[in-house]
Amino acid sequence: GAGVSQSPSNKVTEKGKDVELRCDPISGHTALYWYRQSLGQGLEFLIYFQGNSAPDKSGLPSDRFSAERTGGSVSTLTIQRTQQEDSAVYLCASSLAAGTGYNEQFFGPGTRLTVL
Amino acid sequence: GQSLEQPSEVTAVEGAIVQINCTYQTSGFYGLSWYQQHDGGAPTFLSYNALDGLEETGRFSSFLSRSDSYGYLLLQELQMKDSASYFCAVRDNSNYQLIWGAGTKLIIKP
Repeated sequence: GAGVSQSPSNKVTEKGKDVELRCDPISGHTALYWYRQSLGQGLEFLIYFQGNSAPDKSGLPSDRFSAERTGGSVSTLTIQRTQQEDSAVYLCASSLAAGTGYNEQFFGPGTRLTVL
Repeated sequence: GQSLEQPSEVTAVEGAIVQINCTYQTSGFYGLSWYQQHDGGAPTFLSYNALDGLEETGRFSSFLSRSDSYGYLLLQELQMKDSASYFCAVRDNSNYQLIWGAGTKLIIKP
C-alpha cells in the first residue's frame, strides 16, 4: 500500500507569510507525528495525534505553530507569520497506535521549507 | 531531564565492523529503537529492543542493557551504501512518543 505522503515537497515563502504543510498517513494508522529537522541535525518533536486529538503539544516552538487532524487521517501543520528560523525539513510519521506495544513509525519524505 | 547521547560522527572502512553507542536518561523506558537516514531521505526503521540482549537482523545487530541505560547498533561487513546518519530513540512510556538522539553520521571510506 501507499506510504506516508507529504505536500508540498518544497515550499519557499517570504518572511511573515503563513504556510500550510500537509501529511497523509498510512491508511489505518491512528497515530501521527510531526517533527522538524534542520540541516545536519536530529529530529525535533513538534506534536503528535492519537486519532484527532493531540495529547502532547509540548514541542510546538511558539504560538505561531498549530496543527490539526481531521477524520483520523490527514493532518495539517500551519505556521503563521513565518520567520527565517522556521526554515527546515518538516517530517511527518505515522504508526498503528500510540500507547500499546511498540509501533514502528513510518516517515514521509518531508517538506523542505525555506523562509526568505 | 530526558536525553539521549550518541557520538556525532563515526568513520569506518568498507568491509569493517562499526559500533554506534547510545546512552539514555528518560523518565520512563519502553524500548530502544534505531533508525537510519540517508542524506536527503526520510528516517527508516532498523531495529527495536525492549529486553536486554542482542537482536540480529542480517548485517545489523542491536544491543540493549537496561540496567546500564545503554544500547548500541552494530553494523558488520560495511558497505558504502551504509553511509548515513543513525538515530537511537527511546519510547517514553508515559507519553508513548519517541525521544530521539541527535544522530550519528557514519562515514565509510573505501
